[in-house]
Amino acid sequence: EIVMTQSPATLSVSPGERATLSCRASQSVSSNLAWYQQKPGQAPRLLIYGASTRATGIPARFSGSGSGAEFTLTISSLQSEDFAVYYCQQYNNWPPCTFGQGTKLEIK
Amino acid sequence: EVQLVESGGGLVKPGGSLRLSCAASGFTFSSSSMNWVRQAPGKGLEWVSSISSSNGYIYYADSVKGRFTISRDNAKNSLYLQMNSLRAEDTAVYYCSSGLYYFDYWGQGTLVTVSS
Repeated sequence: EIVMTQSPATLSVSPGERATLSCRASQSVSSNLAWYQQKPGQAPRLLIYGASTRATGIPARFSGSGSGAEFTLTISSLQSEDFAVYYCQQYNNWPPCTFGQGTKLEIK
Repeated sequence: EVQLVESGGGLVKPGGSLRLSCAASGFTFSSSSMNWVRQAPGKGLEWVSSISSSNGYIYYADSVKGRFTISRDNAKNSLYLQMNSLRAEDTAVYYCSSGLYYFDYWGQGTLVTVSS
């Protein structure tokens, strides 16, 4: 099973600044990686799939990059509604797909 | 608008059974792969099971294999999860989601609590 490791566990950033979240796979997953956003008490929301393709309705300030085993989610200018927990998920060796443990993005 | 609405969660004793349902609308359910993903309280996401549009494939996480059964009724636009031999570690919010490989739409979840 592929293990996904996200860093940092918590990221403190001021509104308007850039946030960079990392996700590392225990082996190559090619570009078969997705990112999700989850706010308290809500279901996750798909942000990115294929490592860099934004899902329907996702603002352009969200961007994904990387391939192989190293991936990054960048939020270019943080809005108040962006503070949430973010998860990466690999689907290269499926089943099973596996998620990272999450990065909590909090207001600095 | 895509809607996925789960139901059937609740409190059950260890060893008991529960059947979750997910009612889908706003998209072509019969053409969509469907999934269950769960989240234990305060924890991350865990994939549970997936089923293809025409039952061509069904997969389970090792943690639930042999105890859980996923099924669907395309005529009723509904997805199900039969959960038997429940354990305390199955306590979680169970989400219904659509998509193949990754999960593009999610329901709001239903809480399953396994406790004596």
